[in-house]
Amino acid sequence: EVQLVESGGGLVQPGGSLRLSCAASGFTFSSYSMNWVRQAPGKGLEWVSYISSSSSIIYYADSVKGRFTISRDNVKNSLYLQMNSLRDEDTAVYYCARATPSIMGYWGQGTLVTVSS
Amino acid sequence: DIQMTQSPSSLSASVGDRVTITCRASQSISNYLNWYQQKPGKAPNLLIYPASSLQSGVPSRFSGSGSGTDFTLTISSLQPEDFATYYCQQSYSTPYTFGQGTKLEIK
Repeated sequence: EVQLVESGGGLVQPGGSLRLSCAASGFTFSSYSMNWVRQAPGKGLEWVSYISSSSSIIYYADSVKGRFTISRDNVKNSLYLQMNSLRDEDTAVYYCARATPSIMGYWGQGTLVTVSS
Repeated sequence: DIQMTQSPSSLSASVGDRVTITCRASQSISNYLNWYQQKPGKAPNLLIYPASSLQSGVPSRFSGSGSGTDFTLTISSLQPEDFATYYCQQSYSTPYTFGQGTKLEIK
């Protein structure tokens, strides 16, 4: 069974940093591209970032470019999102999603990031 | 960036009704269009990709059609578990934009 479990969310002050993790199991993690998608409270879905299976191709939404860094460890079957210079508008539930390559067939349960002073 | 516009934004319907949700892209995306269902407090769930293929495990009352800029999601006979929010998403090019969502409510 495919499982994706996000962690690392929490309350952080504006300008602060946070690192999200997504632990994958039930499939060959190294064979799949991955995405981060977020959803602000009461709002719609916003794609954040994409990473290919080998980490050779990476994309970001303009809203996070230069502040967020996506990475993965295919030995540890884990996906990461390093978030720096956080803003109020980054407050959201962050989901990791397995991609084939841009069709998101499996999602984690999400982790809540709250940016507030 | 490719803009995705769904209509309607909300919809009231009854169990057994046939419902159609429309998604329009700001430029041609061929058939690179996916549909997701999201229930409150849960992660999105893939229903249809690309444009018309049913994801494994999704009931056959769900169907998708379209190509180019105009797409539809149809639920042939609404069931109680179908009341949720539906999103379209283009996977033609980054940023992989979503529509604003269509909230399907019980009449």
